[in-house]
Amino acid sequence: EVYLLESGGGLVQPGGSLRLSCAASGFTFSSSAMSWVRQAPGKGLEWVSAIGSGGTPTYYADSVKGRFTISRDNSKNTLYLQMSSLRAEDTAVYYCARGSIHTSSSFFDYWGQGTLVTVSS
Amino acid sequence: DIQMTQSPSSLSASVGDRVTITCRASQGIRNDLGWYQQKPGRAPKRLIYAASSLQSGVPSRFSGSGSGTEFTLTISSLQPEDFATYYCLQHNSYPLTFGGGTKVEIK
Repeated sequence: EVYLLESGGGLVQPGGSLRLSCAASGFTFSSSAMSWVRQAPGKGLEWVSAIGSGGTPTYYADSVKGRFTISRDNSKNTLYLQMSSLRAEDTAVYYCARGSIHTSSSFFDYWGQGTLVTVSS
Repeated sequence: DIQMTQSPSSLSASVGDRVTITCRASQGIRNDLGWYQQKPGRAPKRLIYAASSLQSGVPSRFSGSGSGTEFTLTISSLQPEDFATYYCLQHNSYPLTFGGGTKVEIK
């Protein structure tokens, strides 16, 4: 069974930093591209960032480029999102999801349960 | 960037109704599109991939069609558990983009 478990969310002040983690199990993590997707309260889904199976390439939404960094540790089956210079508009539930855009059958077929990030003073 | 225009943004329907949701892409995306269902407080769940392939375990009342720029999700006979918000997602190129969502409510 595939499991994705996010952690690291919480309350942070504007301008602050936070690192999210996504622990994966039940599939060959090192062979799978991964993404982060977020959802602001009461809003729709927004893709945030993606990373290739080996750590490159990486991609970012314009809204987070230069502030967020995606990375992974294949030895720990864990995906990360380092968030800095946080703004109120970054407040959202952050989900991790697996899959390469080139393989439709497994693209975003599994999601984590999400972790809430609240940016407020 | 590819824009995904989803319609309607909401609809009211009764159990047993046929429901159709549409997504239009601002440029051709072949069949690189999925449909997702989300219930309050839950992660999205994939229903359809490659525009028309049914995810394993998803009831056959759900179907997807389309290619290029026009895509449709159809629920042939709406059931009580189908009241939720539905999103399309294009994965033809980065940045990935979701449709704005369709909230399906009980009439």
